[in-house]
Amino acid sequence: NAGVTQTPKFQVLKTGQSMTLQCAQDMNHNSMYWYRQDPGMGLRLIYYSASEGTTDKGEVPNGYNVSRLNKREFSLRLESAAPSQTSVYFCASSERDDDGNEQFFGPGTRLTVL
Amino acid sequence: GQSLEQPSEVTAVEGAIVQINCTYQTSGFYGLSWYQQHDGGAPTFLSYNALDGLEETGRFSSFLSRSDSYGYLLLQELQMKDSASYFCAVSHIYNQGGKLIFGQGTELSVKP
Repeated sequence: NAGVTQTPKFQVLKTGQSMTLQCAQDMNHNSMYWYRQDPGMGLRLIYYSASEGTTDKGEVPNGYNVSRLNKREFSLRLESAAPSQTSVYFCASSERDDDGNEQFFGPGTRLTVL
Repeated sequence: GQSLEQPSEVTAVEGAIVQINCTYQTSGFYGLSWYQQHDGGAPTFLSYNALDGLEETGRFSSFLSRSDSYGYLLLQELQMKDSASYFCAVSHIYNQGGKLIFGQGTELSVKP
């Protein structure tokens, strides 16, 4: 099992460009999450999907959109990138959305917006 | 609102015991989780406490006191590979789809 995979690993964008970060999990998990992590900081939740067909906003959703394509895949889109979105983006999944359920993280996408 | 506080850095020597504290302020607190992250890589789950008391998993233990809004992670028999960042994270009683609020992390340096 690959666990949680993310593409791309690195990306450089110019201000105003758009891009989609891809995430897939092969653990048959119901819930999936997108976080961002800025230098020296903890992870902040951008969007999550408690189950296939549902998505909801997290702490910092502005400037992002998501799509839960199917049970395996959860993508994050930046419509018009800004330098403030320079960060490391982590996707995670958990078996269900019950409290305390362990979240499994992907390796991250390192995004720089110039 | 919700907030968590943990020390930014802790240093200890190999073989020693270290405790990383986490205090939180949140309405509707439900549980406290701990994650480990090496060099900006993927965070990995260490432990979870929903009830008061100590949970032990090998060299790692985690403690929660709901009345004090406080928890800690205890690492015993420290090894060089334990050098990493450690994050506490709280979850809310209404769960809201498994949302976790993370602290800013404690960077642990283990010296020989």
